[in-house]
Parts: sequence; structure tokens; C-alpha cells
Amino acid sequence: DQQVKQNSPSLSVQEGRISILNCDYTNSMFDYFLWYKKYPAEGPTFLISISSIKDKNEDGRFTVFLNKSAKHLSLHIVPSQPGDSAVYFCAANPSSNHKLTFGKGTLLTVNP
Amino acid sequence: EPEVTQTPSHQVTQMGQEVILRCVPISNHLYFYWYRQILGQKVEFLVSFYNNEISEKSEIFDDQFSVERPDGSNFTLKIRSTKLEDSAMYFCASSADTSGRSTDTQYFGPGTRLTVL
Repeated sequence: DQQVKQNSPSLSVQEGRISILNCDYTNSMFDYFLWYKKYPAEGPTFLISISSIKDKNEDGRFTVFLNKSAKHLSLHIVPSQPGDSAVYFCAANPSSNHKLTFGKGTLLTVNP
Repeated sequence: EPEVTQTPSHQVTQMGQEVILRCVPISNHLYFYWYRQILGQKVEFLVSFYNNEISEKSEIFDDQFSVERPDGSNFTLKIRSTKLEDSAMYFCASSADTSGRSTDTQYFGPGTRLTVL
């Protein structure tokens, strides 16, 4: 079941530069999309979300872009900081239920 | 800032034993969830709970699993007879459902690591 795909298992960027994490989905019923950040031995921490009626949502250094026609979303972090180093999960659910479907995650490493 | 809490952080049990994982959701939230993550795999939905009953469950959530809200603050997941393959991180989450739709953010607890020997 690969309804939410994060094709890059890892990403390394320099401090101060932009980090771009990508996510693709196949289920056209998905209506709400979220990004979570996870440190080892902790639970997923909510970062930012976007509903399907929007194509962009911004919160400080974090911006999520949604391209519904391409079934693609991305998370931009700018400027990246070493404390951003973590696994980032993309997740989605349809409007009909609360069942979140997660991607496999992308390990982001921000180098000082 | 309110947060979801879970106990214990780590539970070790023998195969065939019953375990109860405990969660205290955020106090004004109405929807409660359990997810699990087997090592090296995706976070997977198990069950959602609203108004004192299960609202959705996955195919993983078979008769060996049950959930309960025994009082006004706790939310529990019981596994009746644990199997080796139940070893995983179990995450509790809650959401407010203020909008009446499924677009309320789910906030996760730190997880319980269950090890079945």
C-alpha cells in the first residue's frame, strides 16, 4: 500500500540553505495533508498542514505547497537550521474519515 | 502547551500475555487514535475513537485488540494475547474535531515501545 510516497529516504543540506522535501500521493480522495517531524524515540510532532482547497500554506520558516493535479506536495524549510535535522513524514487523510496514511519518511540532515 | 502523554515508555512482555497501553489525550480533544510503527516500516493507523465508540479501524485491528476510555482522561489500547509481530512503537493521538470534519490536526504522544519475547 503506497498511497503516500516519499521517494527520497534522506536529504542533506547546509545550514542556511533551503531544504525541500517531497511527497506524492495516489489517492484522489485525500483532502488534508500534513507534515510531521520526528526525532528518534519520540512521537511525530505536527509541523504544518494544508487542505486541498489551497495550494500554499506558510508558517514561519516552513511552507507547504500542494499541486493537486500532479498529486504532489512539498515542504520547504528556509533557512535550514541544524535543529531541523530529523525524519519528516508526509501524511494525508480524506474528508470522509480521520485515518491518516503516512509516507515512509525522509531523514533530513542539516550540516553546520 | 498541552500534550498527549503515554505510559509506559517501554513494555516488555511474553508472547501470549495481555498488555494494556495507556494514553492521556489533550484534555479538550474529542477524537482519539492509536497508530503503530514496526521497526523500519511506516506509521500505520489502527483505530479511531469518538463519542465512546470506535469510528474507524484498520484491518490490523482484529479481535485481539480493543480500546477503551475508562474515565474522563485515559484512553487505553489492550492486546489480549500478544504475538511476536505485535512488537512495535505504539502511538496515541488526539484531535479536536472543532470543525466537524476530518481536518483537525492529530497530535501524537511520545509512544510506547512494545517488545514481545
